Amino acid sequence: EAGVAQSPRYKIIEKRQSVAFWCNPISGHATLYWYQQILGQGPKLLIQFQNNGVVDDSQLPKDRFSAERLKGVDSTLKIQPAKLEDSAVYLCASSLGAEAFFGQGTRLTVV
Amino acid sequence: SQKIEQNSEALNIQEGKTATLTCNYTNYSPAYLQWYRQDPGRGPVFLLLIRENEKEKRKERLKVTFDTTLKQSLFHITASQPADSATYLCALRGSYIPTFGRGTSLIVHP
Repeated sequence: EAGVAQSPRYKIIEKRQSVAFWCNPISGHATLYWYQQILGQGPKLLIQFQNNGVVDDSQLPKDRFSAERLKGVDSTLKIQPAKLEDSAVYLCASSLGAEAFFGQGTRLTVV
Repeated sequence: SQKIEQNSEALNIQEGKTATLTCNYTNYSPAYLQWYRQDPGRGPVFLLLIRENEKEKRKERLKVTFDTTLKQSLFHITASQPADSATYLCALRGSYIPTFGRGTSLIVHP
């Protein structure tokens, strides 16, 4: 079974630039999550989708972050404009039940 | 305020010993609690889930306990091996967004 695919693996941008991350979940998984993991901390949920609808985005900084999940499959997370404090690993996960399967993440460095 | 606490200091143990990691929480009433393993540069990997009405769960060399009165979960790895070295995260699930602790680093020395 193929796992959760994310790209790119690494990204370095200057502050105030924009960036987008892509996630392809495990086939058939209705729930998709985007997490932000800052070094030394646990993953923090940014947004949760059920199919192509948003279940929770209470921790998503909506003035600069946006996410979509078209057709209930792939998802993209965008940051515009980026700030230094956005430097983190962005993890995508998908699930069918209680167990979440994570991708390898995208390491973003904002300079 | 809601808080999940995992020991921020690394746990160093000798190969063959039992590792015990702690997850404490306040102001949550989780329906269930999960433990994940995370290796450097990788995403977390699910290990075990324990529900609020369960006291203990086992899987091979892993054991999880859940005390909703103490608001604590203990995660045990018996007969530990150097390959068990990683960061272990606990996550609470319930009528709120899934929430992770910061994780505890386990280092098993040969």
